[in-house]
Amino acid sequence: DVKVTQSSRYLVKRTGEKVFLECVQDMDHENMFWYRQDPGLGLRLIYFSYDVKMKEKGDIPEGYSVSREKKERFSLILESASTNQTSMYLCASSSLRRGEYEQYFGPGTRLTVT
Amino acid sequence: KNEVEQSPQNLTAQEGEFITINCSYSVGISALHWLQQHPGGGIVSLFMLSSGKKKHGRLIATINIQEKHSSLHITASHPRDSAVYICAVPRFNFGNEKLTFGTGTRLTIIP
Repeated sequence: DVKVTQSSRYLVKRTGEKVFLECVQDMDHENMFWYRQDPGLGLRLIYFSYDVKMKEKGDIPEGYSVSREKKERFSLILESASTNQTSMYLCASSSLRRGEYEQYFGPGTRLTVT
Repeated sequence: KNEVEQSPQNLTAQEGEFITINCSYSVGISALHWLQQHPGGGIVSLFMLSSGKKKHGRLIATINIQEKHSSLHITASHPRDSAVYICAVPRFNFGNEKLTFGTGTRLTIIP
């Protein structure tokens, strides 16, 4: 069974703090993703990584950065947390299966910035 | 870029009812994904289908490639089916690793 784990389920941080969200997958997937999920907006892609040290901006990268030093680990960094970054953050990894990419999700981190 | 629309946004039904959730997309695709998200956040993949129909237990997913439309059906619904159901398609045409997601349908089954 594919397992994607995230470092925290719930996190409360103060405005201006640097925040690290970590994601680890155990299936040797090349692709990893960070999304945020807000009511009425669905899942929005923040960053995507297709290999170690390779990254690509998603739809809403402003205020975020990422790091992928090892294949199994993909970190999301909020350089200076703001209240509008309060959200559910979901990590995913994907593999090619029967010609299509299937994504596997972590349990999510609910971040509150006060 | 593919756009996805789901309907309804919210659905409340009595236990035992037959449920249908719809998904439409704008650009031709090779496969569509149905996902389930339970309260608490984790998302699991239910189906990945490229044509016709797939069945898993009480869940049935159908897709009409020509009409760019898919439906997810639940037979004999149960309170444990209460969740958000999300459809997703490749962002650009075929075999793309990035997905575009619908905003989800929140299903509540009342005992």
